[in-house]
Amino acid sequence: GVTQSPTHLIKTRGQQVTLRCSSQSGHNTVSWYQQALGQGPQFIFQYYRKEENGRGNFPPRFSGLQFPNDSSELNVNALELDDSALYLCASSLLPSETQYFGPGTRLLVL
Amino acid sequence: EDQVTQSPEALRLQEGESSSLNCSYTVSGLRGLFWYRQDPGKGPEFLFTLYSAGEEKEKERLKATLTKKESFLHITAPKPEDSATYLCAVQGFTSGSRLTFGEGTQLTVNP
Repeated sequence: GVTQSPTHLIKTRGQQVTLRCSSQSGHNTVSWYQQALGQGPQFIFQYYRKEENGRGNFPPRFSGLQFPNDSSELNVNALELDDSALYLCASSLLPSETQYFGPGTRLLVL
Repeated sequence: EDQVTQSPEALRLQEGESSSLNCSYTVSGLRGLFWYRQDPGKGPEFLFTLYSAGEEKEKERLKATLTKKESFLHITAPKPEDSATYLCAVQGFTSGSRLTFGEGTQLTVNP
């Protein structure tokens, strides 16, 4: 299945953070979502074949990478208090196929 | 812009008491409608994908149906282990491959 690391993270405002995701075997598409407490996940961006394939309404300080083994990173610069959330990674066989989610990384910004 | 509204926000049932969750959506060309289950502090677990009006899918005590404007998740004779938040999401042909989620229905099943 999809794995994410770390499981929990505490940062202070202004710092930078990198979250990691390993996709399900055979999946070459990775999508990232932000889920605030009590809300549904919000789409950040998607990577397909190492290229960004769509982006939600998030500022440029949210950036990503997809590696040759289809794993992915989400980087967030200049952290703000509102960035505190559960960050979810999802993988799919193709961009339009069903997305399968990992357990998430809980980020707390103080 | 794709939109999803789920109701009710929260639902309490007694074990064995059947009910339905609603997902109303607006999308410019539906590619797929997805149901997920999410336990507290965990990632969403995939349940169903529906593609066209009239389609139905079943899994154990759950049955998902789809019309042109809404989807229902029917829960028959629920058990306490069915307690979770149920999320509905849509994927539209004109919005790329993103999923647009509703805010979920928090289901509690009491023994």
